[in-house]
Amino acid sequence: AQSVSQHNHHVILSEAASLELGCNYSYGGTVNLFWYVQYPGQHLQLLLKYFSGDPLVKGIKGFEAEFIKSKFSFNLRKPSVQWSDTAEYFCAVNAASGTYKYIFGTGTRLKVLA
Amino acid sequence: GAGVSQTPSNKVTEKGKYVELRCDPISGHTALYWYRQSLGQGPEFLIYFQGTGAADDSGLPNDRFFAVRPEGSVSTLKIQRTERGDSAVYLCASSSGRTHNEQFFGPGTRLTVL
Repeated sequence: AQSVSQHNHHVILSEAASLELGCNYSYGGTVNLFWYVQYPGQHLQLLLKYFSGDPLVKGIKGFEAEFIKSKFSFNLRKPSVQWSDTAEYFCAVNAASGTYKYIFGTGTRLKVLA
Repeated sequence: GAGVSQTPSNKVTEKGKYVELRCDPISGHTALYWYRQSLGQGPEFLIYFQGTGAADDSGLPNDRFFAVRPEGSVSTLKIQRTERGDSAVYLCASSSGRTHNEQFFGPGTRLTVL
């Protein structure tokens, strides 16, 4: 079955700490991978995406993610978090061909302490 | 605004009633998606339109759920004989239709069935 797993449901960090959020997927075939963020009171917005090429992708606000095909992983990283990064983060995958629907993980709630 | 809009933002109804949720996608986006997000979960796919037709409705939970997009723009999600388990945030997204293109999400409609 197609699925996305996010290992950490809640993460609390102090400002300037480094962040890594895990994402593993189970999906037959070639995939596109996405990280979305939902800030408090706002709608989902794209942080970054991978569909081909360099497996290390950079997104907005200093975030990056690395696609490791052999591990079916797409972990999100940021070297130094800020209070404004407090949000919920969702990993998603869709097929590179065929249906375009996203399969989302359950999300990780990040709280950054000032 | 240029984003995806959804109305109403909140809907409270009684068990057994009929509800309609509206989505206005970004102008020119051919693809439109409906997702449902329950508390503590990631969004779950319901249905995907390419133009006026439903290209994938595999996520609709049962025949009480139906969606239309008659002119290839605005879409309406219709739920008949609502049940308490239908309570969730219903999200709409649109994209330009290629699988690796990001989906732009609306703010959602929070449906509460009493």
